[in-house]
Amino acid sequence: GENVEQHPSTLSVQEGDSAVIKCTYSDSASNYFPWYKQELGKGPQLIIDIRSNVGEKKDQRIAVTLNKTAKHFSLHITETQPEDSAVYFCAASTGESGGGADGLTFGKGTHLIIQP
Amino acid sequence: NAGVTQTPKFQVLKTGQSMTLQCAQDMNHNSMYWYRQDPGMGLRLIYYSASEGTTDKGEVPNGYNVSRLNKREFSLRLESAAPSQTSVYFCASSVSGANTGELFFGEGSRLTVL
Repeated sequence: GENVEQHPSTLSVQEGDSAVIKCTYSDSASNYFPWYKQELGKGPQLIIDIRSNVGEKKDQRIAVTLNKTAKHFSLHITETQPEDSAVYFCAASTGESGGGADGLTFGKGTHLIIQP
Repeated sequence: NAGVTQTPKFQVLKTGQSMTLQCAQDMNHNSMYWYRQDPGMGLRLIYYSASEGTTDKGEVPNGYNVSRLNKREFSLRLESAAPSQTSVYFCASSVSGANTGELFFGEGSRLTVL
């Protein structure tokens, strides 16, 4: 099955600097790559996703890049702010027909700390 | 906007006791899921229900049972709790499948088994 590796497990950056979180996946059939943000005491929330027919997607200060050849994708956060402090999870899916969550595999998460 | 509601938020059990975690969504979603989150392990799927009337095992189903009561409700039951089931449990829902679209999560249920 799919294996998703996420690095680093903890990332500390100064407020205003950029943060990059990287994930690799093993199944070349994967074609959907969401990123979730989990604030303390809350459930994860989707912040951005990308599908395999595009290489990059941006939404204000957040961007995701995908390299299908190398089987890795990254989350980029620019001009970091205190409210960006959270745990971030990447995930990969083969998008198998019939729905269901058995095709979605999460990374182990990155704790992003924004230093004032 | 309630979204996904889980109860209870906190529970302490003794080994061998049973309990049911309740989950309800008001977004008319077809698919519902139960995940557990443990430190350093990320989110692991326990069971899911792709549509009303169907349930399937996920990555870590042992020791759990589920019931898709109707389109809105999906419960998770621990028949004989073990300390290894100490975790934070999240219910989630999606329109048609987590592998193709957004998952909406509840706020979690923290379970401690002594």
